[in-house]
Amino acid sequence: QQQVRQSPQSLTVWEGETAILNCSYEDSTFDYFPWYHQFPGESPALLIAIRPVSNKKEDGRFTIFFNKREKKFSLHIADSQPGDSATYFCAASDSGGSNYKLTFGKGTLLTVTP
Amino acid sequence: DPKIIQKPKYLVAVTGSEKILICEQYLGHNAMYWYRQSAKKPLEFMFSYSYQKLMDNQTASSRFQPQSSKKNHLDLQITALKPDDSATYFCASSRQSYEQYFGPGTRLTVL
Repeated sequence: QQQVRQSPQSLTVWEGETAILNCSYEDSTFDYFPWYHQFPGESPALLIAIRPVSNKKEDGRFTIFFNKREKKFSLHIADSQPGDSATYFCAASDSGGSNYKLTFGKGTLLTVTP
Repeated sequence: DPKIIQKPKYLVAVTGSEKILICEQYLGHNAMYWYRQSAKKPLEFMFSYSYQKLMDNQTASSRFQPQSSKKNHLDLQITALKPDDSATYFCASSRQSYEQYFGPGTRLTVL
């Protein structure tokens, strides 16, 4: 069964610190790995994504690190701000597959304390 | 202007009834999806459509039926509603297998 595992379930960091959120997957056919964040009462919003042609993707304060051999990827949020407090979901899909399905992790609730 | 419209935002139904959740996207995408989110199962894939054709159905029940009358529409009909169907239902869309964008959701409560 395709699974994406996410940890930790919750994370609290101080403002200015780097938050690190982790995911792992099992299906070797997965080749697209997005991260979404979701604020209370809102829908998931695409934050950043990586395809494993590279092992790192940066967008401002957000960086994805990808390890194909270990089937792991992580989101680093540098200089965390209180406004970053949200639930973060990692996901994975097989872009060459026929259904474009995203398989999501269970989420990490990030709290950034001022 | 919202690019993905879902109607209604909130929906209360009684057990055994039938409801239709509406989704329209104005992003020019060819693929559309339904996902469900509840306290028990966060962000669960339900259906995917591409060019108005069903690509995948991961729901275990035939009570959930997607309907695509236009290429930018993908509605979700749910029959014989159960309290366990209570969740937020998100429509999403993408250009083929690329980034998926989510609509605002319909929060369904079944009494």
